[in-house]
Amino acid sequence: AQKVTQAQTEISVVEKEDVTLDCVYETRDTTYYLFWYKQPPSGELVFLIRRNSFDEQNEISGRYSWNFQKSTSSFNFTITASQVVDSAVYFCALLPYSGAGSYQLTFGKGTKLSVIP
Amino acid sequence: DTGVSQDPRHKITKRGQNVTFRCDPISEHNRLYWYRQTLGQGPEFLTYFQNEAQLEKSRLLSDRFSAERPKGSFSTLEIQRTEQGDSAMYLCASSLAGATGNQPQHFGDGTRLSIL
Repeated sequence: AQKVTQAQTEISVVEKEDVTLDCVYETRDTTYYLFWYKQPPSGELVFLIRRNSFDEQNEISGRYSWNFQKSTSSFNFTITASQVVDSAVYFCALLPYSGAGSYQLTFGKGTKLSVIP
Repeated sequence: DTGVSQDPRHKITKRGQNVTFRCDPISEHNRLYWYRQTLGQGPEFLTYFQNEAQLEKSRLLSDRFSAERPKGSFSTLEIQRTEQGDSAMYLCASSLAGATGNQPQHFGDGTRLSIL
């Protein structure tokens, strides 16, 4: 069974602070994919990043960075110099590749980030 | 490139009524997914189509739920004899077909269903 845990339910930071959102996953598959999505108050889930299990290079995109550590089954997301527009619910998701053709994403419960001006 | 479109955005209905939602995926995407999201939770997978074939269904998809994608383009999700517990946001997503399923799923705005 697949499981994604986002232990932080809600986080509040003051604008310009850095913030890290934690994600821990469980899977028996040796090949899998990890995703982060952003859900602003408008409701649409916005794709942010995809990583595969055999590429542990960290990635940076502007103010966003991701730290994938297979040894601890974690895929954490850091926002540097947070802005009010970053306020949203962030979801981490897992897609195992078992070869059986299953494409269902397993999501965590999300972390609600509030950036205070 | 237009995104995934869902209609209606909101639906309020009385318990016991039938409801139908529509999803139009991104035009070149041949995979289409339905998820359900309740308050404070992440989306939960319901079902998935590749072209017109429904290839996977979650145990969450009870007999009262049916999804179709007749021509491999738009999809409909119907709920019969709605119950209070059906109140949720119903999300549709689409993706390109990748050999290992790693193509990201792009989501629509969702249809929020409220059962009175």
